[in-house]
Amino acid sequence: ETGVTQSPTHLIKTRGQQVTLRCSSQSGHNTVSWYQQALGQGPQFIFQYYREEENGRGNFPPRFSGLQFPNYSSELNVNALELDDSALYLCASSDPSRGEIYGYTFGSGTRLTVV
Amino acid sequence: QKEVEQNSGPLSVPEGAIASLNCTYSDRGSQSFFWYRQYSGKSPELIMSIYSNGDKEDGRFTAQLNKASQYVSLLIRDSQPSDSATYLCAVNKGGANNLFFGTGTRLTVIP
Repeated sequence: ETGVTQSPTHLIKTRGQQVTLRCSSQSGHNTVSWYQQALGQGPQFIFQYYREEENGRGNFPPRFSGLQFPNYSSELNVNALELDDSALYLCASSDPSRGEIYGYTFGSGTRLTVV
Repeated sequence: QKEVEQNSGPLSVPEGAIASLNCTYSDRGSQSFFWYRQYSGKSPELIMSIYSNGDKEDGRFTAQLNKASQYVSLLIRDSQPSDSATYLCAVNKGGANNLFFGTGTRLTVIP
């Protein structure tokens, strides 16, 4: 069983640019959640995708958008990058059919630096 | 009021001692509770989950949940230098499909 993989591992972008981050979910998991973790903070929920549809969203502006593909992999897109978008972006996959909410397994993350 | 609150530390304990990490949450409807360990520069790693009042033990780790007091704790027995990390408390609210995290407590185990 493969785990959650994210790419790229590190990225440097200029303010105003756009970025796409990628996540491959764990085998058999149809739900992908994205989190942003700023330095010294806990992860903050961005949104979740279930079977290619957005299934919940945190307090993030519309310039944060996402996609989920038929193979359940996912992308996080951020437009008009701001300096405060610099953070570790985490992806987690899960399978709601297991019933009770269980803890996510996160991918290794993408470290985004906006300059 | 934050959804999940933790003392940011740092918490320092000598090797072999018990480390006690605490977390409070604001929503009484919360149903699932988790502890993650995060080493510097790495992603969080799930170490414990607890759903019912009381204690849950897994090796050197014990999670304690008190829903009446809205309080979750993690005890690490026989602390090792390799336990030095930031410990994140996470809570799932009833009906929600996402986790709310605290800011984490930085633990240092001194050899």
